[in-house]
Amino acid sequence: DTEVTQTPKHLVMGMTNKKSLKCEQHMGHRAMYWYKQKAKKPPELMFVYSYEKLSINESVPSRFSPECPNSSLLNLHLHALQPEDSALYLCASRPVRRDRNSGANVLTFGAGSRLTVL
Amino acid sequence: QKEVEQDPGPLSVPEGAIVSLNCTYSNSAFQYFMWYRQYSRKGPELLMYTYSSGNKEDGRFTAQVDKSSKYISLFIRDSQPSDSATYLCAMSPNTGANSKLTFGKGITLSVRP
Repeated sequence: DTEVTQTPKHLVMGMTNKKSLKCEQHMGHRAMYWYKQKAKKPPELMFVYSYEKLSINESVPSRFSPECPNSSLLNLHLHALQPEDSALYLCASRPVRRDRNSGANVLTFGAGSRLTVL
Repeated sequence: QKEVEQDPGPLSVPEGAIVSLNCTYSNSAFQYFMWYRQYSRKGPELLMYTYSSGNKEDGRFTAQVDKSSKYISLFIRDSQPSDSATYLCAMSPNTGANSKLTFGKGITLSVRP
């Protein structure tokens, strides 16, 4: 299995709703990521989990709450979002190895969850 | 000056053309260089990965890294309509979970049949 699976593919929510995005990988990768991508822009890093512990939070507003229940799963809980939070949310993973030629820096991305906040 | 500069395009070429995509960067600490392809409404997928300077070839794709000039390129030979996508360069200084990738802005390529 060489995939990162994200659900749902599309989500429409109101500003008062609570919803969650889910991400799953079975490649044994111990680093998992959430990125946000606006139209015609590159992905922007939001959170990094390393061995199921949050290691980087790129000053993301608290209305986004990540969770890593185990080494295969990553969630992003959404609450009280704003219309400007509408974007493609990408999950990614990669192995944590030091072999410089192993492709350890290569992120495998999911297809994304397209979020629309009304 | 941005850390990574990529010509924003868009770029339109006829089928069969050779395509050259380029990125320049300013951070001399970058050692790992990647090209990702992103189709509309999909996540990025890795095309090429290179450590340090040199060339790497995979089928119709060739990646070149010139660290002395801080310049990387992706060449696509015999371009096909299926190559129509956005191409993102990405780079980082080291390995490890917390090693951040810095992306270029991406260039949208259209290959006309």
